[in-house]
Amino acid sequence: NAGVMQNPRHLVRRRGQEARLRCSPMKGHSHVYWYRQLPEEGLKFMVYLQKENIIDESGMPKERFSAEFPKEGPSILRIQQVVRGDSAAYFCASSPHPDTQYFGPGTRLTVL
Amino acid sequence: GESVGLHLPTLSVQEGDNSIINCAYSNSASDYFIWYKQESGKGPQFIIDIRSNMDKRQGQRVTVLLNKTVKHLSLQIAATQPGDSAVYFCAENSPNTGTASKLTFGTGTRLQVTL
Repeated sequence: NAGVMQNPRHLVRRRGQEARLRCSPMKGHSHVYWYRQLPEEGLKFMVYLQKENIIDESGMPKERFSAEFPKEGPSILRIQQVVRGDSAAYFCASSPHPDTQYFGPGTRLTVL
Repeated sequence: GESVGLHLPTLSVQEGDNSIINCAYSNSASDYFIWYKQESGKGPQFIIDIRSNMDKRQGQRVTVLLNKTVKHLSLQIAATQPGDSAVYFCAENSPNTGTASKLTFGTGTRLQVTL
């Protein structure tokens, strides 16, 4: 059973461009979570989704950030008009129910 | 605001010794806790969890202790090995949901295993 998959693993964008981060949950998992991690810090919750629904987006910035988890396909975290402060590691986690979360390898976003 | 924090940013232990990593949490309403291990360049790896109706839980070479009176959580690693070198995070569930749907992470403790 493959683990949580994220791609790309590394993403470089210039200021003002868009970043799209993809997350494929573990098989059978319908709950997806996105977290952001700055160097030498803990993970900060961003958003919690189930298929086609956003359950909790209290950690998402109000502007430029959006997330979706469509009926088919991976979950997408989208950052529009990226700024240097968006540079971080973004982790996706999944679970079969709202309980223990299993994390993917992360996407490291660098904004030039 | 409410937060999860750790006492020691870096812990050095000799191979074969036992390690104890501590975590203090401030929200008495939290009822589910998880320890994660994160190696450089990788995502957090689940180690062990515990619910608030327990005070101890054991896994393979690891034990988690929960003291709700002083809101303290610890991770004990027996016979520490070089492969245990990593950053360890404790995380608590969001008390508003009552499930692990929103985890609050501490800042992490770096465990260094010396030969």
